[in-house]
Amino acid sequence: ETGVTQSPTHLIKTRGQQVTLRCSSQSGHNTVSWYQQALGQGPQFIFQYYREEENGRGNFPPRFSGLQFPNYSSELNVNALELDDSALYLCASSWGQGAFTGELFFGEGSRLTVL
Amino acid sequence: QKEVEQNSGPLSVPEGAIASLNCTYSDRGSQSFFWYRQYSGKSPELIMFIYSNGDKEDGRFTAQLNKASQYVSLLIRDSQPSDSATYLCAVNRGNTGKLIFGQGTTLQVKP
Repeated sequence: ETGVTQSPTHLIKTRGQQVTLRCSSQSGHNTVSWYQQALGQGPQFIFQYYREEENGRGNFPPRFSGLQFPNYSSELNVNALELDDSALYLCASSWGQGAFTGELFFGEGSRLTVL
Repeated sequence: QKEVEQNSGPLSVPEGAIASLNCTYSDRGSQSFFWYRQYSGKSPELIMFIYSNGDKEDGRFTAQLNKASQYVSLLIRDSQPSDSATYLCAVNRGNTGKLIFGQGTTLQVKP
């Protein structure tokens, strides 16, 4: 186990609803990244937070937003859910903004189903 | 053109054989390259990474990088049924941890 915990593990929402996913990073890690993994696809980078600031964003609309807290835990919020948002959402923690060690520590993910 | 391309497979090899997994990338500015393994229903875990042209070996795994050809591969020697998983290739264009993943290759090792 990596020490990265995510909640909830599974959830079902309907179109138009809003969802909040949570992540606790591994001890000592100050950077959290969020990825979306659709079925049969590789993870896609959503955004990264470093010391509570957004540090880069992938090709996702503004209804995907996030936060990082002083303890380096993080939230991913998705508004106005669409069917295509159904996916596994992965949180990954690492250390340092410019000192990437080569390893992202992934949590087990939150599987979101949008009906 | 996708930034990172992999054959989705499945790649099927007999137990004890060498499995060869391939990946190409489009951005010549890519600096580091990673192979992750993902078991069904689980999160990705890092197998190994490589920065420099050539081979890097770690146990039964060898990563190979050819920046001129924009090609990276993973060889698994003495394949075991427990190696059956999806293998994700990822590239990091900067030194930031923002990885671009391929779609993954499913490997099946048959006893």
